[in-house]
Amino acid sequence: GEDVEQSLFLSVREGDSSVINCTYTDSSSTYLYWYKQEPGAGLQLLTYIFSNMDMKQDQRLTVLLNKKDKHLSLRIADTQTGDSAIYFCAESRGYQKVTFGTGTKLQVIP
Amino acid sequence: NAGVTQTPKFRILKIGQSMTLQCTQDMNHNYMYWYRQDPGMGLKLIYYSVGAGITDKGEVPNGYNVSRSTTEDFPLRLELAAPSQTSVYFCASSYSDRGNNQPQHFGDGTRLSIL
Repeated sequence: GEDVEQSLFLSVREGDSSVINCTYTDSSSTYLYWYKQEPGAGLQLLTYIFSNMDMKQDQRLTVLLNKKDKHLSLRIADTQTGDSAIYFCAESRGYQKVTFGTGTKLQVIP
Repeated sequence: NAGVTQTPKFRILKIGQSMTLQCTQDMNHNYMYWYRQDPGMGLKLIYYSVGAGITDKGEVPNGYNVSRSTTEDFPLRLELAAPSQTSVYFCASSYSDRGNNQPQHFGDGTRLSIL
């Protein structure tokens, strides 16, 4: 079955770049997502990428996709304390069944 | 534009009690979902619906029931609450039409404790 894996924790200093990594097993994945969850809140869609793309940039966010290695990363430039949250990687095969990773908790140190 | 609204936000139940978690969306999305989130486990799909009158099981449906009588509402029912159902429950919705699959939008969750 499908599986999505992420490291559990990442700590960075304010102003540095953060890179959150994710690997997935389903080679049929057509959509790959990054969601952000702040304490006590639901999941907020940050960005998503189609499987036929290698990179997507949106302001401070850069998503890189390596289809060969089934590796997805999210880079946050100039990380701020407001970026502290749990970040979920997710994938789907286009029929709306989405598989989520366990989440990476990002801690930003002032 | 409220998006996905879940009620209640918090609830404590006794073992064996029943309750309904409410979810409504105002985005005219055809797909709706219920997930549970346990610590360190990510999200697990309980049930989903592709449109009014149609529901289907996800990964962890046991102990739950759903209905979808309207496009807007997708309530989740716990008939006999058990401690294993202590979790945070998220409702989500999305639009999909002939391959145009939009990302899911989430509510803020219902935190449920069974004691």
